[in-house]
Amino acid sequence: AQKVTQAQTEISVVEKEDVTLDCVYETRDTTYYLFWYKQPPSGELVFLIRRNSFDEQNEISGRYSWNFQKSTSSFNFTITASQVVDSAVYFCALSPLNAGNNRKLIWGLGTSLAVNP
Amino acid sequence: EAGVAQSPRYKIIEKRQSVAFWCNPISGHATLYWYQQILGQGPKLLIQFQNNGVVDDSQLPKDRFSAERLKGVDSTLKIQPAKLEDSAVYLCASSFRSGTTTGELFFGEGSRLTVL
Repeated sequence: AQKVTQAQTEISVVEKEDVTLDCVYETRDTTYYLFWYKQPPSGELVFLIRRNSFDEQNEISGRYSWNFQKSTSSFNFTITASQVVDSAVYFCALSPLNAGNNRKLIWGLGTSLAVNP
Repeated sequence: EAGVAQSPRYKIIEKRQSVAFWCNPISGHATLYWYQQILGQGPKLLIQFQNNGVVDDSQLPKDRFSAERLKGVDSTLKIQPAKLEDSAVYLCASSFRSGTTTGELFFGEGSRLTVL
């Protein structure tokens, strides 16, 4: 089965705290992509990162960092020194290779992050 | 560069009425997607177009939902007749890479539908 699990439904932190959003996935494909998207209150989903299954290097972009571990099928997202503007719903998504060589995004249910001043 | 444009942003209708949503993707993006996002859930793919052809509509309730992408540019999603459970945000997205989801998706702000 292809599945993405974001066990944390809601997280609330105080500004400047570090916070990690968990993502665990299931797939039988050897080639796949993982994504994180941010959905602020305006509703638009904003792409944050894509990682392919062959690249397990961690990535850092400013205050954002991602930890991809194939051994545990996890792709966790950490925000360092959180800010109020980070308040949003964050979605993890998996893109396995379906029959017909087409890929479809499989989404987690999202984690709602509230950063309080 | 202009983003994905959607309209209307909000729509309230009564059940059994019809509604249409419009989407204009980013210029040059061959692939267009319509997603349905119910409150508290992740987006659910309704239909994917590659230019003006349908790639995947396996989760589109075809008895009431229809979509078209004439001339491979903008697209319209229609619901007729609407049911209460259709209340959701309808998100349009586009991507540059054709046929696969290896590239990032660019989303519009969505059209929020309330069915009373």
